[in-house]
Amino acid sequence: QSVLTQPPSVSAAPGQKVTISCSGSGSNIGNNYVSWYQQLPGTAPKLLIYDNNKRPSGIPDRFSGSKSGTSATLGITGLQTGDEADYYCATWDSSLSAGVFGGGTKLTVL
Amino acid sequence: EVQLLESGGGLVQPGGSLRLSCAASGFTFSSYAMNWVRQAPGKGLKWVSSLDGGGDSTFYADSVKGRFTISRDNSKNTLYLQMNSLRAEDTAVYYCAREGLRHLDFDYWGQGTLVTVSS
Repeated sequence: QSVLTQPPSVSAAPGQKVTISCSGSGSNIGNNYVSWYQQLPGTAPKLLIYDNNKRPSGIPDRFSGSKSGTSATLGITGLQTGDEADYYCATWDSSLSAGVFGGGTKLTVL
Repeated sequence: EVQLLESGGGLVQPGGSLRLSCAASGFTFSSYAMNWVRQAPGKGLKWVSSLDGGGDSTFYADSVKGRFTISRDNSKNTLYLQMNSLRAEDTAVYYCAREGLRHLDFDYWGQGTLVTVSS
């Protein structure tokens, strides 16, 4: 049972848009910045979004992040087959004094 | 180019110990907090521990507190994770990750090292 709740899976057709939600509480998302990671099969995770909505250099603007209250959302537009991966949200939990990840969401591009 | 290279994984019996290392290069190691993140086979990512650049401030997940110790040698640009009293549920790929400006803002990851706890 993860502290942050994500849907187990989402799917959409190539070229379409998808959103992935991440729900937490006041001690984590509500008072800390959220990051998002993409993990392609058999590889290490890669940072997609940090500080709720910032993209590292090299991450295309098809990827976006937002936060409202105790929830965060990752958006991906113009879906490509290469976007098929597991996506994780992450943040600090001030009550636990620990890092927390969401359970992960598997994206399928149909 | 930033590189993180983990080593030290392997097969260990329940109750045993193992020390993981993460050799860093391509950046000023002592300027960055470092973390360990693990992933059990077929499961999601789990944060394990973090250590600030000076080696003074540590944090641990409850599941490893009292059994794992994170440390670093800035003269060797190396991060460590000493794992004692290992349990079957500690079986996972262990990644080291460089922390950016904030907690859980991991801008670089190693390739991971597999730890298997089994008799």
